Amino acid sequence: AQSVTQLDSQVPVFEEAPVELRCNYSSSVSVYLFWYVQYPNQGLQLLLKYLSGSTLVKGINGFEAEFNKSQTSFHLRKPSVHISDTAEYFCASGNTGFQKLVFGTGTRLLVSP
Amino acid sequence: DAEITQSPRHKITETGRQVTLACHQTWNHNNMFWYRQDLGHGLRLIHYSYGVQDTNKGEVSDGYSVSRSNTEDLPLTLESAASSQTSVYFCASSSDKNTEAFFGQGTRLTVV
Repeated sequence: AQSVTQLDSQVPVFEEAPVELRCNYSSSVSVYLFWYVQYPNQGLQLLLKYLSGSTLVKGINGFEAEFNKSQTSFHLRKPSVHISDTAEYFCASGNTGFQKLVFGTGTRLLVSP
Repeated sequence: DAEITQSPRHKITETGRQVTLACHQTWNHNNMFWYRQDLGHGLRLIHYSYGVQDTNKGEVSDGYSVSRSNTEDLPLTLESAASSQTSVYFCASSSDKNTEAFFGQGTRLTVV
């Protein structure tokens, strides 16, 4: 069965600092990986996705993630965060693309001035 | 613009009552999903549908049901609401496995 582990429940960071949000997955078959962002009282918005191809995936708002099959990881990074990046971030996986996603427990990114 | 809407946005109900949460999308997507979001659990799949008349159980389907009579709607019914079903519910849709799944704004349900 698939599972997704987000190792940090909360990550505090100062504005303009780099950030990495960690995600590990387990799957015995081909896996598709996603990062979603949830702003307060909003639905989820797709940041980026890995379906196949290049292991370095670039998304919206300056975020990127690297698929590492040997370490079963898909960590999210941003070189310089803004106050507006404060949100909850969810890593998700699916064996069949965007269908039947399995989500991690989420990481709250707190950006302070 | 095409969109996915959930209603109501907030609902308070009593234990034992039947409750239906609506989800309507205007993209003509085949795939629709219901998730619940709980602290410490992230989002968990309740039910999903790959087309009209198709419904399938997800990870946490006990106490919930769905029906798909048309492409646009996938209502979620709690047959007899329980306090353990207090949660935020999200509906999502996608056209196929390789295209983005879009999420609604969520419905916050409180069972008292």
